[in-house]
Amino acid sequence: AQTVTQSQPEMSVQEAETVTLSCTYDTSESDYYLFWYKQPPSRQMILVIRQEAYKQQNATENRFSVNFQKAAKSFSLKISDSQLGDAAMYFCAYRNSGGGADGLTFGKGTHLIIQP
Amino acid sequence: DTAVSQTPKYLVTQMGNDKSIKCEQNLGHDTMYWYKQDSKKFLKIMFSYNNKELIINETVPNRFSPKSPDKAHLNLHINSLELGDSAVYFCASSLSRGFTYNEQFFGPGTRLTVL
Repeated sequence: AQTVTQSQPEMSVQEAETVTLSCTYDTSESDYYLFWYKQPPSRQMILVIRQEAYKQQNATENRFSVNFQKAAKSFSLKISDSQLGDAAMYFCAYRNSGGGADGLTFGKGTHLIIQP
Repeated sequence: DTAVSQTPKYLVTQMGNDKSIKCEQNLGHDTMYWYKQDSKKFLKIMFSYNNKELIINETVPNRFSPKSPDKAHLNLHINSLELGDSAVYFCASSLSRGFTYNEQFFGPGTRLTVL
């Protein structure tokens, strides 16, 4: 079974600074997907960014980028120019590739605090 | 406009009762899911279902059962509610075809409180 580990229960960053959230995972599969989801106080789950394991290039979405290290099974999220609206729980998630009805395996989350 | 909707958003009930949470998606997706988020914010898959297979997380008690009247709906029935069932329950859906990834869209969640 796959596992996802987020070792930082809470992180704090000054507004406009850069912060990196860590995630490691364990799998015996060679092809899979990795995601970062954001959950603000409204509790809505919002997809921030995704990475296909077969792609060597790190995914980027505006101020959000990942550092995907497949051999190390590491998938960190970098948020640049942090904004107050970035304050939320961030979850790293894994999914096997292929079709079918596989769900997501989540890490325990990192609570991100933005200091004004 | 709502992509994945859940009713109710809040549910307060007594131990021992039976309750249902409804989920509907208007995205034309073929796969739906139920996740449980506990008091520590940990999210765990409970069920995933499409027209070919039902995958049940082995840790889910058989008091929980998904029921799908059609592709757009996956309801969650819970019998003999216990205090430990208190959590936020999320429905999600995706389009699963072959080996192409498709994003899972989440509903707004249902906060269940068992007294």
